[in-house]
Amino acid sequence: GEEVAQTPKHLVRGEGQKAKLYCAPIKGHSYVFWYQQVLKNEFKFLISFQNENVFDETGMPKERFSAKCLPNSPCSLEIQATKLEDSAVYFCASSPRQQRGDTQYFGPGTRLTVL
Amino acid sequence: AQSVTQLDSQVPVFEEAPVELRCNYSSSVSVYLFWYVQYPNQGLQLLLKYLSGSTLVKGINGFEAEFNKSQTSFHLRKPSVHISDTAEYFCAVSDNSNDYKLSFGAGTTVTVRA
Repeated sequence: GEEVAQTPKHLVRGEGQKAKLYCAPIKGHSYVFWYQQVLKNEFKFLISFQNENVFDETGMPKERFSAKCLPNSPCSLEIQATKLEDSAVYFCASSPRQQRGDTQYFGPGTRLTVL
Repeated sequence: AQSVTQLDSQVPVFEEAPVELRCNYSSSVSVYLFWYVQYPNQGLQLLLKYLSGSTLVKGINGFEAEFNKSQTSFHLRKPSVHISDTAEYFCAVSDNSNDYKLSFGAGTTVTVRA
């Protein structure tokens, strides 16, 4: 598609429950990024993929967060045993396979609320 | 490592007045600079970006920004705003060493009043 699609739009979980978010990048884009927006403004990079391979995972809290981008499937971000501080909007972005400085195209986000 | 500072957290402005949003960055290598806009309950949309070349960059919706290497700044301007420009504006940077990921500023809330 021509836009990055993210599902679900909203997700509510009790503390300790699992949460799984999905992202379909723009067709033909090889790079996928996940960002976490906490408190409306602060963006934090989580992880990036080049096709199905992890490219950079320096922002991932590895003990509870995991992510995958498998061929012919939406990418996913999974949080095991959610905590209150995981409440945020999670944005997925994709960019084409080009040089550095390429535009990242963002999806509409998934708002996760942990109660 | 790079960082981005947006000097104004909130900017109220009257319709048809000019607006400037300030952004400073720190990086030890060459940078690529971006301005994104986030309308209420929406994702980020690219306004403009600087990669190289002319330091004055023109973007969508009448916005422009000027890259100033000596002052490490990338301020965003619009000569006449509309009510529809009410949104959050984010300055972001990536550089040669960080493998594509963006570092964002804290954002500036622009509220346009009639």
